[in-house]
Amino acid sequence: QSALTQPASVSGSPGQSITISCTGTSSDVGGYNYVSWYQQHPGKAPKLIIYDVSNRPSGVSNRFSGSKSGNTASLTISGLQAEDEADFYCSSYTSSSTVVFGGGTKLTVL
Amino acid sequence: EVQLVESGGGSVQPGGSLRLSCAASGFTFSSYAMSWVRQAPGKGLEWVSAIRGSGSSTYYADSVKGRFTISKDNSKNTLFLQMNSLRAEDTAVYYCAKDGGNTVGNWFDPWGQGTLVTVSS
Repeated sequence: QSALTQPASVSGSPGQSITISCTGTSSDVGGYNYVSWYQQHPGKAPKLIIYDVSNRPSGVSNRFSGSKSGNTASLTISGLQAEDEADFYCSSYTSSSTVVFGGGTKLTVL
Repeated sequence: EVQLVESGGGSVQPGGSLRLSCAASGFTFSSYAMSWVRQAPGKGLEWVSAIRGSGSSTYYADSVKGRFTISKDNSKNTLFLQMNSLRAEDTAVYYCAKDGGNTVGNWFDPWGQGTLVTVSS
């Protein structure tokens, strides 16, 4: 199972919005609404920020939003804050009853 | 509060074995699938294995199939990962994570703090 494709890095200034893409195939992202997103700060465990494509867990800022079109899912962060700087990973359920992650995207807040 | 605490990591020679444990609390352990996810030093996340709440079904990444075995003891609220025939490329921090439901692969929340496995001669 090949990893989902994410940009290696994105950046934005405080207050701006950024979008991270996550591209898979019809056997994973495109075939199921089981796409989730995770934020990982250095030395910490990943934290769930979006599940089932566009749902936010309780306690996660509404500045985080998710969507999907075809085989590509997207995470948008609006009103960038310094504390948002972290690595972000997407994941998807697959037709093989396994899970695949994206390669990760490093977000830099300028 | 849901808590997951991994243990059992350490250093092992290539070809050796190690058994990881994940103690769970704060939820009905038998009602949720559980997964192991690893992260090699400086690399991204890689899903390793999952098991349904009852323990009746297990799932593995191709990279560990035939070498790793996932299991759970619902009476002790503990998840295990038996790792045999370890290779240098298995070196990583191993996280246990609670799935979103009883089926595998919905989402992972929360995650444990991780336990480091180092395979080296």
